[in-house]
Amino acid sequence: TQLLEQSPQFLSIQEGENLTVYCNSSSVFSSLQWYRQEPGEGPVLLVTVVTGGEVKKLKRLTFQFGDARKDSSLHITAAQPGDTGLYLCAGARNTDKLIFGTGTRLQVFP
Amino acid sequence: KAGVTQTPRYLIKTRGQQVTLSCSPISGHRSVSWYQQTPGQGLQFLFEYFSETQRNKGNFPGRFSGRQFSNSRSEMNVSTLELGDSALYLCASSAFPGQGPNIQYFGAGTRLSVL
Repeated sequence: TQLLEQSPQFLSIQEGENLTVYCNSSSVFSSLQWYRQEPGEGPVLLVTVVTGGEVKKLKRLTFQFGDARKDSSLHITAAQPGDTGLYLCAGARNTDKLIFGTGTRLQVFP
Repeated sequence: KAGVTQTPRYLIKTRGQQVTLSCSPISGHRSVSWYQQTPGQGLQFLFEYFSETQRNKGNFPGRFSGRQFSNSRSEMNVSTLELGDSALYLCASSAFPGQGPNIQYFGAGTRLSVL
């Protein structure tokens, strides 16, 4: 059973467009992380959110944790080819193991 | 500070064989987790070791096993390989498991192909 569902599964856009990736669950998480994975590499942490309703910005990336701590979103403004990769959300419930989402594969064309 | 190092990067085996993968965590990190990544199932948690003890375990058969040494280096073993074991195996280390968000630092992975 996949506890964290991401949508969309695939996204192919032109440079300069905006996009939003969603990470949804029926479970409550104590924290949620977003990772980006490029081909041939392991996932790299982008951000961690721990408070319901929390919003964090990382340059053109905006992350939000849902008020009930069951969902999260990642918004990219003016996407660039360098944003191409697999985006993964991952939730933790207290000290338990991380549960990764299904992933969103983003392709940004110049 | 060196990152997480996994060896080998690529491996080709045949059904029925066994394989051992190695992971060296970031210096000072005492927790090592292993994940299997496939196109169909995504990133699935295998197990986590901390101070040479298995701290958490995922839902994988007993053919998958691991261990951690006193220097925090970890190995993962898969016996009686099946075609479905073909995957990217990722190792991740963390500094303080159980204390705050479990931030994982990943290696580049070992790509295993079972023929």
